[in-house]
Amino acid sequence: GNSVTQMEGPVTLSEEAFLTINCTYTATGYPSLFWYVQYPGEGLQLLLKATKADDKGSNKGFEATYRKETTSFHLEKGSVQVSDSAVYFCAWDPGYALNFGKGTSLLVTP
Amino acid sequence: NAGVTQTPKFQVLKTGQSMTLQCAQDMNHNSMYWYRQDPGMGLRLIYYSASEGTTDKGEVPNGYNVSRLNKREFSLRLESAAPSQTSVYFCASSKGGDRSYEQYFGPGTRLTVT
Repeated sequence: GNSVTQMEGPVTLSEEAFLTINCTYTATGYPSLFWYVQYPGEGLQLLLKATKADDKGSNKGFEATYRKETTSFHLEKGSVQVSDSAVYFCAWDPGYALNFGKGTSLLVTP
Repeated sequence: NAGVTQTPKFQVLKTGQSMTLQCAQDMNHNSMYWYRQDPGMGLRLIYYSASEGTTDKGEVPNGYNVSRLNKREFSLRLESAAPSQTSVYFCASSKGGDRSYEQYFGPGTRLTVT
């Protein structure tokens, strides 16, 4: 069945480093794809989305491009900040809810 | 505007006890969801309610029941708690339909079953 697979963490970066968190999907067709973020002690929040192939989602300096040729939706940010420390979830939409990857923990150190 | 609220924030139960987790939203959303979050497993859908008056099973419904009390409230009941139900439980809501993906989450309930 359809699913998303994320790189395992934790990922530790220094402030201002470049971030990539990999997400690949296995799907019939081209479902909408999302990145959600969970800050410590909080629920998840939608970070960005792409609803069709070749779309690029962006928000708060994060970007992800829906690439059908590599079935990927990698999350990137050019310069991370300490405040970006969180758990990031890739997800796809089966039409009634969300199906999440296992999450990737990011720790950014000063 | 409180968004999605959940009570309680923390709970410790003994095996076999029952409890109800409460969830309410004030965004006039049609759809509501219950997820559980376990280390290394991500979030898994327990039950959802696409609209008032309907409920459906998600990926891991065994051991749980739900009630969509009205448009605002969606409760999750554990009839006979088991240690395997130790988890963090999140309630979420969305407008539903083609906006089902845009979900708003509550702060979570951390449940420990001993």
